[in-house]
Amino acid sequence: GDSVTQMEGPVTLSEEAFLTINCTYTATGYPSLFWYVQYPGEGLQLLLKATKADDKGSNKGFEATYRKETTSFHLEKGSVQVSDSAVYFCALSKAAGNKLTFGGGTRVLVKP
Amino acid sequence: NAGVTQTPKFQVLKTGQSMTLQCAQDMNHNSMYWYRQDPGMGLRLIYYSASEGTTDKGEVPNGYNVSRLNKREFSLRLESAAPSQTSVYFCASSGRDGWNTEAFFGQGTRLTVV
Repeated sequence: GDSVTQMEGPVTLSEEAFLTINCTYTATGYPSLFWYVQYPGEGLQLLLKATKADDKGSNKGFEATYRKETTSFHLEKGSVQVSDSAVYFCALSKAAGNKLTFGGGTRVLVKP
Repeated sequence: NAGVTQTPKFQVLKTGQSMTLQCAQDMNHNSMYWYRQDPGMGLRLIYYSASEGTTDKGEVPNGYNVSRLNKREFSLRLESAAPSQTSVYFCASSGRDGWNTEAFFGQGTRLTVV
């Protein structure tokens, strides 16, 4: 079946450091790819998405590019802030009905 | 601006007790979902409903039942709670049947079964 693998955390960074979270997927066909973010005590919210190969999703300084040749969708941000401390989930959706398959989540802690 | 509302936020059950988690959305979405979140495993789909009156099993449906009461509400029932059902439960909704639309999540219900 479909699956998503992302790097385990926690990832601890200093403010203004570069962040990258690796995500790879296994799926037949052409999934859509997502990054969701979960701030402490809250539900998940969409951070960015890409629906076809070579698409780049971006939002709030975060970027990720859909790489079909490497089945990857790595998340990057050039300069993190304390407010970026959260858990980040990579996910894919393939079937009608928008059912999501999630990775295990990566906790990011940004220190001042 | 409520979005997806879940109740309760916290619950402690004894093994064998039953309970219903409530979920309501005010975005006129057709599709609704129940996920459980466990450490290191991300979120896993329990059940989903593509439209009012229809429900289907997800990845981990055993021990759960659901009801799509109307377009707004989608409840999850544990008939006989087990410690393995200790988890954080999230309800979500999305607006179209396609596979590239945003899902909106509630704040979650933290359930502990002792």
